[in-house]
Amino acid sequence: DVKVTQSSRYLVKRTGEKVFLECVQDMDHENMFWYRQDPGLGLRLIYFSYDVKMKEKGDIPEGYSVSREKKERFSLILESASTNQTSMYLCASSQTSGRAPLNNEQFFGPGTRLTVL
Amino acid sequence: KQEVTQIPAALSVPEGENLVLNCSFTDSAIYNLQWFRQDPGKGLTSLLLIQSSQREQTSGRLNASLDKSSGRSTLYIAASQPGDSATYLCAVRHRTGGATNKLIFGTGTLLAVQP
Repeated sequence: DVKVTQSSRYLVKRTGEKVFLECVQDMDHENMFWYRQDPGLGLRLIYFSYDVKMKEKGDIPEGYSVSREKKERFSLILESASTNQTSMYLCASSQTSGRAPLNNEQFFGPGTRLTVL
Repeated sequence: KQEVTQIPAALSVPEGENLVLNCSFTDSAIYNLQWFRQDPGKGLTSLLLIQSSQREQTSGRLNASLDKSSGRSTLYIAASQPGDSATYLCAVRHRTGGATNKLIFGTGTLLAVQP
């Protein structure tokens, strides 16, 4: 079965702290994604990675960075957390188009609810 | 710029009713469309994926259709049950010409099925 796991379900941090959100997938997928989800705004793409050590900015990368040192792990980093980064963070992965052109579903993890005080 | 809209934002129906959720998108240059379910405080579960060359996909009581030319998709749920209560999201994979795999999401329809 397809599986994407995230390190924490709930996290509470203070303004200015450095925060790491971890995501691991066991499907050997090339692509991995970080989204945030806010009421009324839907899911917005923060960063994505299509290979180890490769990353691209999504729609709202400001205030975030990412790391992909291994294929199965994609980390989201908040260098200095702020209250406007309180949100639900969702990680996803998918097979790359070239290898599976007709089936590139994204599979999501359970989410991390981050509160920044 | 691709925009995805879901109407209605919320829907309440009695158990056993058949229902339709709507999704529209502004740019027909899509690779595929995916329907998800999200339970409160949880991640997304993929329900159905329709490729741009397909007209519909079925899984159990769910049937999703795609009319790319008019920019519309519908998710049909037959014989609804209280366990179907959740937020339903549609997302399109926009053809950017590259190898990336970005999805653009609608804001969802919150479904409540009353016992």
